[in-house]
Amino acid sequence: ETGVTQSPTHLIKTRGQQVTLRCSSQSGHNTVSWYQQALGQGPQFIFQYYREEENGRGNFPPRFSGLQFPNYSSELNVNALELDDSALYLCASSGGGTQETQYFGPGTRLLVL
Amino acid sequence: RKEVEQDPGPFNVPEGATVAFNCTYSNSASQSFFWYRQDCRKEPKLLMSVYSSGNEDGRFTAQLNRASQYISLLIRDSKLSDSATYLCVVLNTGGFKTIFGAGTRLFVKA
Repeated sequence: ETGVTQSPTHLIKTRGQQVTLRCSSQSGHNTVSWYQQALGQGPQFIFQYYREEENGRGNFPPRFSGLQFPNYSSELNVNALELDDSALYLCASSGGGTQETQYFGPGTRLLVL
Repeated sequence: RKEVEQDPGPFNVPEGATVAFNCTYSNSASQSFFWYRQDCRKEPKLLMSVYSSGNEDGRFTAQLNRASQYISLLIRDSKLSDSATYLCVVLNTGGFKTIFGAGTRLFVKA
């Protein structure tokens, strides 16, 4: 196992609500990236955090926001949920001498009704 | 054009077969390349990094051609346990933006 954990494992929300997903990075890793994976697609890069600062962002609207804490754990917040936000949300941690190799958590499955 | 494109699947092969996956990328400044494996309803797991000199790990061989912006993965002597989706991954600008291909599904049959 990678040592990357995510919570919750599953979540059901309704359109317009807000959601917070959490990720604990692997010990020694200072970088966390978040991805959205729709059914049958590859993961899409949302953003990356390095030492508590956003370090890069994909093509996602501002209602997708994040945070990284001093212990390098991270949150993904999504406001005003839309039906198309239903997906598997993955976080990946990297760092500790192999900066670019990313290790994924098991993901959070979000269903928006 | 997508930034990372992979062979459309699925690939259906018998045990023991050799199978090759291809991937092309559009950004010539891309810096790092990987193959990940994803089992059904699981997270992606690193299979191997891809280097310009090519690299091999047991039955798996990865190649990178920067001039053609092309990455490949060769699996020899396929096993039933190789059945999964194989994802091509490209990192740009120091890893700040990671781009996954859509994946190629492999089914290995007995």
